[in-house]
Amino acid sequence: AAGVIQSPRHLIKEKRETATLKCYPIPRHDTVYWYQQGPGQDPQFLISFYEKMQSDKGSIPDRFSAQQFSDYHSELNMSSLELGDSALYFCASSDSGINNEQFFGPGTRLTVL
Amino acid sequence: QKEVEQNSGPLSVPEGAIASLNCTYSDRGSQSFFWYRQYSGKSPELIMFIYSNGDKEDGRFTAQLNKASQYVSLLIRDSQPSDSATYLCAVTPPSNDYKLSFGAGTTVTVRA
Repeated sequence: AAGVIQSPRHLIKEKRETATLKCYPIPRHDTVYWYQQGPGQDPQFLISFYEKMQSDKGSIPDRFSAQQFSDYHSELNMSSLELGDSALYFCASSDSGINNEQFFGPGTRLTVL
Repeated sequence: QKEVEQNSGPLSVPEGAIASLNCTYSDRGSQSFFWYRQYSGKSPELIMFIYSNGDKEDGRFTAQLNKASQYVSLLIRDSQPSDSATYLCAVTPPSNDYKLSFGAGTTVTVRA
Protein backbone atom coordinates (compact mmCIF):
# COMPACT_ATOMS: atom_id res chain seq x y z
CA ALA A 1 0.00 0.00 0.00
CA ALA A 2 1.15 3.52 -0.75
CA GLY A 3 2.52 5.46 2.17
CA VAL A 4 3.27 9.07 2.98
CA ILE A 5 6.28 10.35 1.07
CA GLN A 6 8.58 13.03 2.42
CA SER A 7 11.50 14.75 0.79
CA PRO A 8 14.28 15.31 1.34
CA ARG A 9 15.06 12.60 3.90
CA HIS A 10 18.07 14.47 5.20
CA LEU A 11 18.89 18.16 5.07
CA ILE A 12 21.84 20.11 6.40
CA LYS A 13 21.62 23.89 6.62
CA GLU A 14 23.53 26.75 8.14
CA LYS A 15 22.05 29.15 10.69
CA ARG A 16 19.86 31.83 9.16
CA GLU A 17 19.32 29.83 5.97
CA THR A 18 15.94 28.65 4.71
CA ALA A 19 14.62 25.14 4.16
CA THR A 20 11.61 23.65 2.40
CA LEU A 21 10.26 20.25 3.35
CA LYS A 22 7.78 18.43 1.14
CA CYS A 23 5.08 15.91 1.95
CA TYR A 24 2.96 13.77 -0.36
CA PRO A 25 0.03 12.21 1.52
CA ILE A 26 -1.44 8.77 0.99
CA PRO A 27 -3.71 8.88 -2.09
CA ARG A 28 -7.26 10.02 -1.25
CA HIS A 29 -6.23 11.36 2.15
CA ASP A 30 -7.50 14.91 2.51
CA THR A 31 -5.72 16.02 5.69
CA VAL A 32 -2.03 16.62 6.28
CA TYR A 33 -0.28 17.24 9.59
CA TRP A 34 3.25 18.37 10.42
CA TYR A 35 5.06 17.32 13.61
CA GLN A 36 8.48 18.16 14.99
CA GLN A 37 10.39 15.66 17.11
CA GLY A 38 13.54 16.74 18.90
CA PRO A 39 16.07 14.23 20.26
CA GLY A 40 14.53 12.17 23.04
CA GLN A 41 11.25 14.07 22.75
CA ASP A 42 7.76 13.10 21.68
CA PRO A 43 6.37 14.52 18.43
CA GLN A 44 5.00 18.05 18.77
CA PHE A 45 2.17 19.16 16.52
CA LEU A 46 3.00 22.13 14.28
CA ILE A 47 0.17 22.66 11.82
CA SER A 48 -2.47 20.84 9.81
CA PHE A 49 -4.43 21.31 6.60
CA TYR A 50 -7.78 19.95 5.52
CA GLU A 51 -8.84 20.29 1.91
CA LYS A 52 -6.07 22.83 1.30
CA MET A 53 -7.14 25.09 4.16
CA GLN A 54 -5.26 25.44 7.45
CA SER A 55 -7.29 23.52 10.00
CA ASP A 56 -5.27 23.81 13.19
CA LYS A 57 -2.09 25.41 14.42
CA GLY A 58 0.16 24.26 17.23
CA SER A 59 3.56 25.31 18.46
CA ILE A 60 4.81 26.49 15.07
CA PRO A 61 7.28 29.40 15.14
CA ASP A 62 6.40 32.51 13.16
CA ARG A 63 9.51 31.79 11.07
CA PHE A 64 7.77 28.71 9.70
CA SER A 65 4.93 28.63 7.24
CA ALA A 66 3.15 25.87 5.41
CA GLN A 67 0.56 25.28 2.78
CA GLN A 68 -1.31 22.49 1.05
CA PHE A 69 -1.58 22.52 -2.71
CA SER A 70 -4.33 21.48 -5.11
CA ASP A 71 -2.82 17.98 -5.46
CA TYR A 72 -2.91 17.72 -1.63
CA HIS A 73 0.83 17.71 -1.21
CA SER A 74 2.12 20.05 1.48
CA GLU A 75 5.26 22.08 2.00
CA LEU A 76 6.75 23.37 5.24
CA ASN A 77 8.88 26.45 4.74
CA MET A 78 11.38 27.34 7.43
CA SER A 79 13.31 30.59 7.44
CA SER A 80 16.04 32.13 9.61
CA LEU A 81 16.97 28.67 10.80
CA GLU A 82 18.28 28.31 14.32
CA LEU A 83 20.34 25.56 15.92
CA GLY A 84 17.28 24.55 17.94
CA ASP A 85 15.37 23.76 14.76
CA SER A 86 17.49 20.63 14.32
CA ALA A 87 14.99 17.81 14.62
CA LEU A 88 13.04 15.14 12.80
CA TYR A 89 10.08 16.60 10.93
CA PHE A 90 7.25 14.21 10.25
CA CYS A 91 4.33 14.61 7.98
CA ALA A 92 1.22 12.51 8.58
CA SER A 93 -1.95 12.15 6.58
CA SER A 94 -5.46 10.95 7.27
CA ASP A 95 -8.83 10.49 5.64
CA SER A 96 -11.14 12.83 7.52
CA GLY A 97 -13.97 10.35 7.07
CA ILE A 98 -12.15 7.60 8.94
CA ASN A 99 -11.68 8.55 12.57
CA ASN A 100 -8.54 10.66 12.23
CA GLU A 101 -6.18 7.72 11.99
CA GLN A 102 -2.94 9.43 11.11
CA PHE A 103 -0.23 7.65 9.16
CA PHE A 104 3.26 9.06 9.36
CA GLY A 105 5.84 9.50 6.65
CA PRO A 106 9.49 8.51 7.12
CA GLY A 107 10.45 12.01 8.22
CA THR A 108 13.03 14.60 7.24
CA ARG A 109 16.05 14.90 9.49
CA LEU A 110 17.06 18.56 9.56
CA THR A 111 20.45 19.50 10.93
CA VAL A 112 21.25 23.19 11.41
CA LEU A 113 24.94 23.98 11.80
CA GLN B 1 1.40 18.97 33.22
CA LYS B 2 1.39 17.18 29.90
CA GLU B 3 -1.99 16.34 28.42
CA VAL B 4 -0.88 12.74 28.09
CA GLU B 5 1.24 10.95 30.68
CA GLN B 6 3.02 7.64 30.30
CA ASN B 7 5.37 5.75 32.57
CA SER B 8 8.63 6.34 30.77
CA GLY B 9 10.20 3.00 31.58
CA PRO B 10 12.34 1.49 30.41
CA LEU B 11 10.23 -1.64 30.62
CA SER B 12 12.18 -4.87 30.27
CA VAL B 13 10.30 -8.13 29.73
CA PRO B 14 11.49 -11.63 28.80
CA GLU B 15 10.59 -13.04 25.43
CA GLY B 16 7.15 -14.61 25.48
CA ALA B 17 5.90 -12.53 28.42
CA ILE B 18 3.20 -9.86 28.48
CA ALA B 19 4.27 -6.22 28.30
CA SER B 20 1.80 -3.81 29.92
CA LEU B 21 1.90 -0.12 29.03
CA ASN B 22 -0.16 2.56 30.72
CA CYS B 23 -1.30 6.02 29.71
CA THR B 24 -3.46 8.67 31.37
CA TYR B 25 -4.86 11.82 29.84
CA SER B 26 -6.00 15.05 31.41
CA ASP B 27 -8.88 16.18 29.20
CA ARG B 28 -12.00 14.22 30.12
CA GLY B 29 -13.64 15.00 26.80
CA SER B 30 -10.92 13.39 24.69
CA GLN B 31 -12.44 11.27 21.96
CA SER B 32 -9.85 9.15 20.20
CA PHE B 33 -6.90 7.20 21.51
CA PHE B 34 -3.99 5.74 19.63
CA TRP B 35 -0.90 3.66 20.25
CA TYR B 36 2.12 4.17 18.02
CA ARG B 37 5.31 2.15 17.93
CA GLN B 38 8.52 4.00 17.11
CA TYR B 39 11.87 2.40 16.47
CA SER B 40 14.91 4.60 17.07
CA GLY B 41 15.32 7.14 14.27
CA LYS B 42 12.18 5.95 12.48
CA SER B 43 8.69 7.35 12.17
CA PRO B 44 5.78 6.46 14.49
CA GLU B 45 3.79 3.47 13.24
CA LEU B 46 0.11 3.19 14.15
CA ILE B 47 -0.54 -0.15 15.83
CA MET B 48 -3.84 0.33 17.67
CA PHE B 49 -6.68 2.81 18.01
CA ILE B 50 -9.65 2.74 20.33
CA TYR B 51 -12.65 5.03 20.74
CA SER B 52 -15.05 3.20 23.06
CA ASN B 53 -14.74 1.99 26.62
CA GLY B 54 -13.60 -1.59 26.93
CA ASP B 55 -11.08 -3.79 25.21
CA LYS B 56 -10.00 -4.03 21.61
CA GLU B 57 -7.82 -6.88 20.40
CA ASP B 58 -5.71 -7.08 17.26
CA GLY B 59 -3.37 -10.04 17.06
CA ARG B 60 -0.96 -9.94 19.99
CA PHE B 61 -2.06 -6.42 20.95
CA THR B 62 -4.94 -5.45 23.23
CA ALA B 63 -5.91 -1.85 23.93
CA GLN B 64 -8.08 -1.03 26.93
CA LEU B 65 -9.92 2.24 27.47
CA ASN B 66 -11.57 3.50 30.63
CA LYS B 67 -12.92 6.99 30.05
CA ALA B 68 -14.19 7.38 33.61
CA SER B 69 -10.65 6.89 34.91
CA GLN B 70 -9.10 8.70 31.89
CA TYR B 71 -6.89 5.72 31.36
CA VAL B 72 -5.80 3.77 28.30
CA SER B 73 -3.46 0.82 28.23
CA LEU B 74 -1.75 -1.48 25.77
CA LEU B 75 -0.94 -5.13 26.36
CA ILE B 76 1.54 -6.95 24.17
CA ARG B 77 1.21 -10.71 24.50
CA ASP B 78 3.94 -13.21 23.63
CA SER B 79 6.48 -10.38 23.42
CA GLN B 80 9.14 -10.76 20.76
CA PRO B 81 12.57 -9.09 20.48
CA SER B 82 11.18 -7.23 17.45
CA ASP B 83 8.69 -5.53 19.81
CA SER B 84 11.59 -3.65 21.41
CA ALA B 85 10.77 -0.02 20.66
CA THR B 86 9.28 3.12 22.15
CA TYR B 87 5.49 3.05 22.42
CA LEU B 88 3.74 6.39 22.17
CA CYS B 89 0.25 6.99 23.50
CA ALA B 90 -1.59 9.71 21.57
CA VAL B 91 -4.91 11.43 22.19
CA THR B 92 -7.15 13.65 20.12
CA PRO B 93 -8.45 16.51 22.29
CA PRO B 94 -12.17 17.28 22.24
CA SER B 95 -11.60 20.81 20.97
CA ASN B 96 -10.77 19.59 17.48
CA ASP B 97 -10.30 16.38 15.59
CA TYR B 98 -6.97 17.20 14.11
CA LYS B 99 -3.85 17.34 16.22
CA LEU B 100 -2.48 14.43 18.20
CA SER B 101 -1.09 15.05 21.66
CA PHE B 102 1.57 12.48 22.48
CA GLY B 103 2.87 11.12 25.72
CA ALA B 104 6.60 10.98 26.28
CA GLY B 105 6.64 7.30 25.31
CA THR B 106 7.54 4.07 27.09
CA THR B 107 10.66 2.27 25.96
CA VAL B 108 10.20 -1.49 25.89
CA THR B 109 13.06 -3.99 25.73
CA VAL B 110 12.25 -7.64 25.14
CA ARG B 111 15.04 -9.90 26.38
CA ALA B 112 15.70 -13.00 24.30
